[in-house]
This record gives sequence, structure tokens and C-alpha cells, in this order.
Amino acid sequence: GQNIDQPTEMTATEGAIVQINCTYQTSGFNGLFWYQQHAGEAPTFLSYNVLDGLEEKGRFSSFLSRSKGYSYLLLKELQMKDSASYLCAGMDSNYQLIWGAGTKLIIKP
Amino acid sequence: GAVVSQHPSWVICKSGTSVKIECRSLDFQATTMFWYRQFPKQSLMLMATSNEGSKATYEQGVEKDKFLINHASLTLSTLTVTSAHPEDSSFYICSARVASLGDTGELFFGEGSRLTVL
Repeated sequence: GQNIDQPTEMTATEGAIVQINCTYQTSGFNGLFWYQQHAGEAPTFLSYNVLDGLEEKGRFSSFLSRSKGYSYLLLKELQMKDSASYLCAGMDSNYQLIWGAGTKLIIKP
Repeated sequence: GAVVSQHPSWVICKSGTSVKIECRSLDFQATTMFWYRQFPKQSLMLMATSNEGSKATYEQGVEKDKFLINHASLTLSTLTVTSAHPEDSSFYICSARVASLGDTGELFFGEGSRLTVL
């Protein structure tokens, strides 16, 4: 079956760094997405990885290892506004997204 | 970036009535749109895939006669919740994929519509 696993909740301190892990099992693979979702709002796109390695985009970076079925989202210099849920989604061979349940990130001052 | 507009943002209705939610791609053509439902503190649940000019593909467990989807043009898909009941109260979100070569599969989301059925 297809499955996306990520932690339910994480807590970090303002100004620190946090890494949110995601493991995936999909039927075929056409990429791994990370989305940010604030409470009561629609998700917004953060990153897309289809090749192994690290993609850096400002304070956010995303890593992919296809052989391990593993990805992480790295958030640096955390700000209070980064408090949100972070959704990991894998795209299967039919270009359908398989969504994780999301990781709720709590930032403390 | 591509913009998807969803309307209405909030809707409150009485049990038994029908509610229509619109999803528009404002600056691009979307051959495929997706409708999701999200209950509090839960992840997105794909309800159906809407393809322009053809019938929607519904996920298992989603009643196609209750959740009517129409994708009449490349920029508009509608979801109609028929005979809504309190258990249909949820956050409904649409997303669209750009119809072009080199499509990375990135989805652009509407703002979401919060439905409350009394």
C-alpha cells in the first residue's frame, strides 16, 4: 500500500533550527512535496524534490533520499509565524498525491 | 505564481439544503482540479479528481450523488453538497494543476471554504 509517515507534533524555540522527517511508500515515484498550512487556511507550497539531495530556499531546505524513501524539511532561524502544520506528500506513478497527516510545529519564544 | 480562487470562504446553511462551492483558476488553465475535505486537526482527504469536460473520479467512500462535481471549463470547477447534514460540516479545499508541458505536478490551492450545517 501507499503510505506517508511524519511525526504528529514537534516543538522548537524561536531562532533555532528544526528538522521534520517524512518517510514514504508510493506506487512509483514522481516527487516529494512539502506544504505549509496555518490553522484554518489552505496549504501553501514550500518545496518539491524529485532528485536526491538538498534543495535550499531561503530559511527552508528540503532533502530527499529515494533509496531510503525519506525526506526532511529543515527550517532555520525559526520565527513565531512558522508555527503551522507541515504536510509531506508523495506523488505516485499516476501523478496522484499521497498526503501525510501533517506535523504540527509549535514555536516557543 | 498561479492563483486559484475559491468562493464562498464561509457558508452556513440549514440541514437539507444544497450548497455550491466554486473553484476558479484565475491566470492559467487547469485541466485537472482536485477537491479535498479536511476535518479539524486532520490531513487533507482527497474527495475527487475533476477533469474538464468529463466526469469526476471519486475516491472510495465518497458519495458521488451527494457531492456533485462539474468541471465545465478549463478555469472553473464546482462542488455542490446536496442535502447537506451537520456531519458534512468541514473545510473544503480545491486545488488545480497547471496544464502545460514540464508540469512538475505542483498544486495551487484555493483559499478553502468552511461549511457549517446547522
